[in-house]
Amino acid sequence: EVELVESGGGLVKPGGSLRLSCTGSGFTFSDYNMNWVRQAPGKGLEWVSSISSRSTYIYYADSVKGRFTISRDNAEKSLYLQMNSLRAEDTAVYYCAKDRGSSSLVVDCWGQGTLVTVSS
Amino acid sequence: QLVLTQSPSASASLGASVRLTCTLSSEHSIYTIAWHQQQPEKGPRYLMTLNRDGSHDKGDGIPDRFSGSSSGAERYLTISRLQSEDEADYYCQTWGTDIRLFGGGTKLTVL
Repeated sequence: EVELVESGGGLVKPGGSLRLSCTGSGFTFSDYNMNWVRQAPGKGLEWVSSISSRSTYIYYADSVKGRFTISRDNAEKSLYLQMNSLRAEDTAVYYCAKDRGSSSLVVDCWGQGTLVTVSS
Repeated sequence: QLVLTQSPSASASLGASVRLTCTLSSEHSIYTIAWHQQQPEKGPRYLMTLNRDGSHDKGDGIPDRFSGSSSGAERYLTISRLQSEDEADYYCQTWGTDIRLFGGGTKLTVL
């Protein structure tokens, strides 16, 4: 069974940093692009960042560009999101999400999410 | 500019059918999308990938009551024989050159 498990969320002050992790199982992690998607309280889904299977291509939403860094360790089957200069508007549940395939860049598997709260 | 448009809300009666719509920006009418369901207080769940010709590929364990179809720039999700657990938010999703994009979501109420 394909599974994604996030960790690392918590309460952080504005301007602070946090690192999220996601571990994948049940599939060949190194074959798939991976994503971070977030959902602010009461709002819809917002794509945050994507990384290709070999980390060749990395993309960010404008709202996090320059502050967040996505990375992965295929040997550890892990995806990461380093979040710096956090703002109140970054408060959200952050989901790790797997792409369906290299030619179909839709998400076909989601983690359970980890909550990040930015507040003083 | 790549845009996905969804109506904010929809409603239908228990046991009936409902069709939700996701509209692509006109210049992106050939794009493939995915549909995702998010039940209250839960994370999203992948439902299916839907192509411009209406062919679709559902995720594991998705009931036959869920189907997809397409017409021009519109992508549809039809849910038949509505059950109470179908009350949820439904999101469409696609991708561009350097982005992924979600529609604003449709909140489905089962009456």
